Amino acid sequence: GQNIDQPTEMTATEGAIVQINCTYQTSGFNGLFWYQQHAGEAPTFLSYNVLDGLEEKGRFSSFLSRSKGYSYLLLKELQMKDSASYLCAVKDSNYQLIWGAGTKLIIKP
Amino acid sequence: GAVVSQHPSWVICKSGTSVKIECRSLDFQATTMFWYRQFPKQSLMLMATSNEGSKATYEQGVEKDKFLINHASLTLSTLTVTSAHPEDSSFYICSASLGGVGLDEQYFGPGTRLTVT
Repeated sequence: GQNIDQPTEMTATEGAIVQINCTYQTSGFNGLFWYQQHAGEAPTFLSYNVLDGLEEKGRFSSFLSRSKGYSYLLLKELQMKDSASYLCAVKDSNYQLIWGAGTKLIIKP
Repeated sequence: GAVVSQHPSWVICKSGTSVKIECRSLDFQATTMFWYRQFPKQSLMLMATSNEGSKATYEQGVEKDKFLINHASLTLSTLTVTSAHPEDSSFYICSASLGGVGLDEQYFGPGTRLTVT
């Protein structure tokens, strides 16, 4: 079966750095997405990785290792507004998105 | 950026009635639209995928006769919850994509919160 694993919840301090991990087992791989979802709102796109390595976009970076079936989202200089759920999703061989359950990130002052 | 709208943003209906939710891509033509359901504190659950002009593909466990999906044009898809029951109360989110390979991100609508009393 297809599976995406993320921690359920993480807590970090304002101004600090946090890394949210995602491991996946899917039938084929055509890219990995990270989305941010604030409570009661729809998800918004953060990043896309299809090749191994690190993609940096401002305070957010996303890393991919296809051989390990592993990705992480790195958030730097955390702000209170970063409190949200972070969803990892993988596009499989049929180009269908398989969603993780999401990681709820709590930022404390 | 690509914008997807949903209407209504929230709706309360009585048990046994039907509710229609519209999803529109405002500034692009969406080859594919997706309908998700999300219960409180849970992740997105894909209900169905629809391509313009063809029948929707429903995920396992989703009743196609209860959740009617119509994708009549490249900018509009509708989800009708028929004979709604309290257990259908949820956050329904649509998304749209251009389809195909590569960075084909899904653009999400703001969601519709359905409460069935």
